Amino acid sequence: NAGVTQTPKFRVLKTGQSMTLLCAQDMNHEYMYWYRQDPGMGLRLIHYSVGEGTTAKGEVPDGYNVSRLKKQNFLLGLESAAPSQTSVYFCASKLWGQGARGTGELFFGEGSRLTVL
Amino acid sequence: RKEVEQDPGPFNVPEGATVAFNCTYSNSASQSFFWYRQDCRKEPKLLMSVYSSGNEDGRFTAQLNRASQYISLLIRDSKLSDSATYLCVVRASGGSYIPTFGRGTSLIVHP
Repeated sequence: NAGVTQTPKFRVLKTGQSMTLLCAQDMNHEYMYWYRQDPGMGLRLIHYSVGEGTTAKGEVPDGYNVSRLKKQNFLLGLESAAPSQTSVYFCASKLWGQGARGTGELFFGEGSRLTVL
Repeated sequence: RKEVEQDPGPFNVPEGATVAFNCTYSNSASQSFFWYRQDCRKEPKLLMSVYSSGNEDGRFTAQLNRASQYISLLIRDSKLSDSATYLCVVRASGGSYIPTFGRGTSLIVHP
């Protein structure tokens, strides 16, 4: 089972460049999330989606855009990268409801490490 | 005040020790509570949910105190493999399912 797959896993950008992170899940989950994790800051929500064609802002949305054209994919875009966006980005997904374990568990990808010079 | 607060640690304990972490949350309407585990440079994974009556999974016990708005995680007989960061996660009731993560508590178990 692939679960949640993020690409790319590593990327180095120059300030002002653009890029897109792709998150793909094969579990037919409705909810998908993009978080960033910085040292001492924990996981902070950037954007999320409750279903195909819908997106919403999280805690730290500035400088990012997202799209969910297909249920299984959630894209995170950086239009003009800044050094402050150097971080580890995690995508997560969740089934509508409590899921098989009855926990409302979030499933995470392995992370994408982005450095902006 | 951050919505979910944890002592970052690190908690440095010998093998076999019992260690406990607390996590406080500010939103009294919070409905769901979890502990996730994150190994160094890895993704978070669910350790256990936290139920009102408290729950146990092997060496791990989670408790919820709604009156004081905190949850706890107790680890008995610590193993070297328990070394990780433990993330407290809280979800408010209603609306979309938006979990809020604490900054995590680092645990180091040494021989």
